[in-house]
Amino acid sequence: AQSVAQPEDQVNVAEGNPLTVKCTYSVSGNPYLFWYVQYPNRGLQFLLKYITGDNLVKGSYGFEAEFNKSQTSFHLKKPSALVSDSALYFCAVRDEGGSYIPTFGRGTSLIVHP
Amino acid sequence: DSGVTQTPKHLITATGQRVTLRCSPRSGDLSVYWYQQSLDQGLQFLIQYYNGEERAKGNILERFSAQQFPDLHSELNLSSLELGDSALYFCASSALAGDYNEQFFGPGTRLTVL
Repeated sequence: AQSVAQPEDQVNVAEGNPLTVKCTYSVSGNPYLFWYVQYPNRGLQFLLKYITGDNLVKGSYGFEAEFNKSQTSFHLKKPSALVSDSALYFCAVRDEGGSYIPTFGRGTSLIVHP
Repeated sequence: DSGVTQTPKHLITATGQRVTLRCSPRSGDLSVYWYQQSLDQGLQFLIQYYNGEERAKGNILERFSAQQFPDLHSELNLSSLELGDSALYFCASSALAGDYNEQFFGPGTRLTVL
């Protein structure tokens, strides 16, 4: 079975400060991991993914995520937050040998204060 | 713009009614997914079609059904509507069925059942 957890419902950060949105997962085999962002009244938008290879993955809009197998985590990071980064962020996982469908976390609301 | 289109954007109807939501995937994508997003349930996977065939089923009620047509567009039919069916319904598409490709989400249909 595959599952994903986003332990924080909301993350607050000041503009210009680094941000981290946390994600932990559980799979039986190898994980495929994804981050999506949802702006108000919009659909989810793909940010980045980890399939294999380098543990540090770079994505859109200056975001990156680090895959940590020992801690089963895939935290989303950005060195310097912008007010426009304020949105709902979803982590998703698919077990390589399991379901065709990724499991999405419940989402973390990121609020960047000016 | 993800390339996935959904119609209508908004739908207001009464309990007991039936509605049809329509989705056109990105050009070339064979796989279509339907999701329901509500505040209390988060993002729930409903059903997936791949090249016209049902591929995976999630938390889809018996009152709901879907299909994918030869031109690859998909429709989600919701019948005997209840107040609790009020939600955002998203369609997403991806190139293949069960691989590591990311999904591209449409803008959603907001359904309000009165």
